[in-house]
Amino acid sequence: DAKTTQPPSMDCAEGRAANLPCNHSTISGNEYVYWYRQIHSQGPQYIIHGLKNNETNEMASLIITEDRKSSTLILPHATLRDTAVYYCIVRVSPSGGSNYKLTFGKGTLLTVNP
Amino acid sequence: DAMVIQNPRYQVTQFGKPVTLSCSQTLNHNVMYWYQQKSSQAPKLLFHYYDKDFNNEADTPDNFQSRRPNTSFCFLDIRSPGLGDAAMYLCATSEQWKETQYFGPGTRLLVL
Repeated sequence: DAKTTQPPSMDCAEGRAANLPCNHSTISGNEYVYWYRQIHSQGPQYIIHGLKNNETNEMASLIITEDRKSSTLILPHATLRDTAVYYCIVRVSPSGGSNYKLTFGKGTLLTVNP
Repeated sequence: DAMVIQNPRYQVTQFGKPVTLSCSQTLNHNVMYWYQQKSSQAPKLLFHYYDKDFNNEADTPDNFQSRRPNTSFCFLDIRSPGLGDAAMYLCATSEQWKETQYFGPGTRLLVL
């Protein structure tokens, strides 16, 4: 799986958009970008994933650059409850019972301030 | 609500005393995973079950074993815990061939 690089920490004001970057310059053509987050003392939580098109769901938006070497997770209106470690993970999509593995990097600690 | 349940949330054991952590799921997912997360580190996969098929990660110590008696339950056995095994142990599930893994709240293990 391709390696990812994320800033160790970021701050964001409550109610503002939080933009979390991720570099994955060695990503392969069949690898997806996944985002999970982990609130303190809880298990990780899936947020969103994408291959090359931008994606949006009820939690966040994912913007992937055209060359796919980087992406940005956007939380449009951050709340205090969004304070967590955000992990960007690149991997091949599971198929046929294989390619199951999530390899977590160090992630970004996002702190949302009142 | 369908979910992944881990009990207990906190477990204390003695150095060298076998301990078992449990995980159950109501999602009826084929795949179940065990991750270890040490303080200030990212979760690290220990092994996973695809149905009854056990898949061990290459660097998982022999001290760690797992059992999956049925679809709903999976156990993590640590045969002789050392101080270095103190960590949060996370159970997760996924539906076969699907991308999303659903995590339980974790069991924090303390080794005295």
